[in-house]
Amino acid sequence: DTGVSQNPRHKITKRGQNVTFRCDPISEHNRLYWYRQTLGQGPEFLTYFQNEAQLEKSRLLSDRFSAERPKGSFSTLEIQRTEQGDSAMYLCASSSGGQTRQFFGPGTRLTVL
Amino acid sequence: GQQVMQIPQYQHVQEGEDFTTYCNSSTTLSNIQWYKQRPGGHPVFLIQLVKSGEVKKQKRLTFQFGEAKKNSSLHITATQTTDVGTYFCAVMDSSYKLIFGSGTRLLVRP
Repeated sequence: DTGVSQNPRHKITKRGQNVTFRCDPISEHNRLYWYRQTLGQGPEFLTYFQNEAQLEKSRLLSDRFSAERPKGSFSTLEIQRTEQGDSAMYLCASSSGGQTRQFFGPGTRLTVL
Repeated sequence: GQQVMQIPQYQHVQEGEDFTTYCNSSTTLSNIQWYKQRPGGHPVFLIQLVKSGEVKKQKRLTFQFGEAKKNSSLHITATQTTDVGTYFCAVMDSSYKLIFGSGTRLLVRP
C-alpha cells in the first residue's frame, strides 16, 4: 500500500499526559498537512510542511502542540499536557508540488479521559 | 479568510432518489474541491472545479461551480447505498491548505 499511513490508529490517554502521532506520507510528496476533525465537523487545518520546513501554523495550534518533519519524509505531531478538548481525529494529508488534491491518511483517533 | 457554508447538514433519502448538497461563500472562490468521507473513514478527493460555470460529471455525480464562483453543488442521481457518507466541499487557499465546509451527511434507505 503506497498511501498515507498514520500511527497509532487509536490513542487513549489521561488528561495531562503527552502523546505523539506519526504520519508517513506518499513517498514522492513534498507537502504534508495536519488537520483535526471533531464529530460532525469538517477537518480543520493545523499545520503544513513543504519538505522539512514548517510553513504555516493555525491559531488552533496552541503552544502545547508541536509538529516536526525532520528529513522531509515522515512527520510527528506531539501534544503536551493533553486536555479533554484535544479529543478528536487527527488527520494527515500529503500532496506533491504539482497537485492541488490532497491524499488523506486513515487518521489517529485521540481520546483524552 | 475564505469560508464556505454547506447545506443541508443531513439528508436521508430512499435508494433511487436524487441528492444535492450546496456550498456557498460570501467571497469569490479561486477553486472548489469536493471530498467524500465514508463512515469511519477518511476524506477522499472527488474533484476540483476552477472555472466559472464549470460542470463536471463522474457517472451519477454532477459537480457545478457557479458563474460568480461563490457557490458550488454536488448532485447525485439515483442514489445507491454505496453513496452513504459525508460530502465536504473545500477551498484551497494561497498557502495550499484546505478550508472545509461542515459537510452534508447522506443516509440512504435501501
